[in-house]
Amino acid sequence: GAVVSQHPSRVICKSGTSVKIECRSLDFQATTMFWYRQFPKQSLMLMATSNEGSKATYEQGVEKDKFLINHASLTLSTLTVTSAHPEDSSFYICSARTVTLYRGYTFGSGTRLTVV
Amino acid sequence: AQSVTQLGSHVSVSEGALVLLRCNYSSSVPPYLFWYVQYPNQGLQLLLKYTTGATLVKGINGFEAEFKKSETSFHLTKPSAHMSDAAEYFCAVSVVTGTASKLTFGTGTRLQVTL
Repeated sequence: GAVVSQHPSRVICKSGTSVKIECRSLDFQATTMFWYRQFPKQSLMLMATSNEGSKATYEQGVEKDKFLINHASLTLSTLTVTSAHPEDSSFYICSARTVTLYRGYTFGSGTRLTVV
Repeated sequence: AQSVTQLGSHVSVSEGALVLLRCNYSSSVPPYLFWYVQYPNQGLQLLLKYTTGATLVKGINGFEAEFKKSETSFHLTKPSAHMSDAAEYFCAVSVVTGTASKLTFGTGTRLQVTL
């Protein structure tokens, strides 16, 4: 079945530094990838949608200069949290969808980001 | 725009009892509906989905859900709960327009299974 690999699973960084999270589709080509943020005991909030080879579409209220998304290939999307602050600490999850076969959405295992 | 409402943020059942997690949706066009399960500090795993066709959908781990258009519902059930079912469950709706679509999640229901 479709597998999405997300790394790292956990990361701790200092305030002001940047962190990159990778999301790879292992056995299919993901034309569209989604990035979500999840606060403790809450639902997933869509941050942005990225399509391979084009700029990401950000949801209202999400700072595109702070959360940089790159989808340079059909198997890799990255989320970079720039100049991280403690309030950016959260659980980030990616999801991938392919247009060739409607399998639904496949999720990565998530990244727990802690900014200290 | 589509939306999902999950009734009950927390449901507790005894092991062996029926599991019923409620989900109602709102969509102006025929929706695709999903149930996902999330274990602590993990991503989401698809339990089942409804796209078209048979309204009773069977998923993994003995779960099933029935799409009822007249009630705009997609409730998740399992005849007999197991301790390993304890997790967070999310109902989601997706509307496909051309090649664009995105998932909208409900607020989630935490299932607790007791002995």
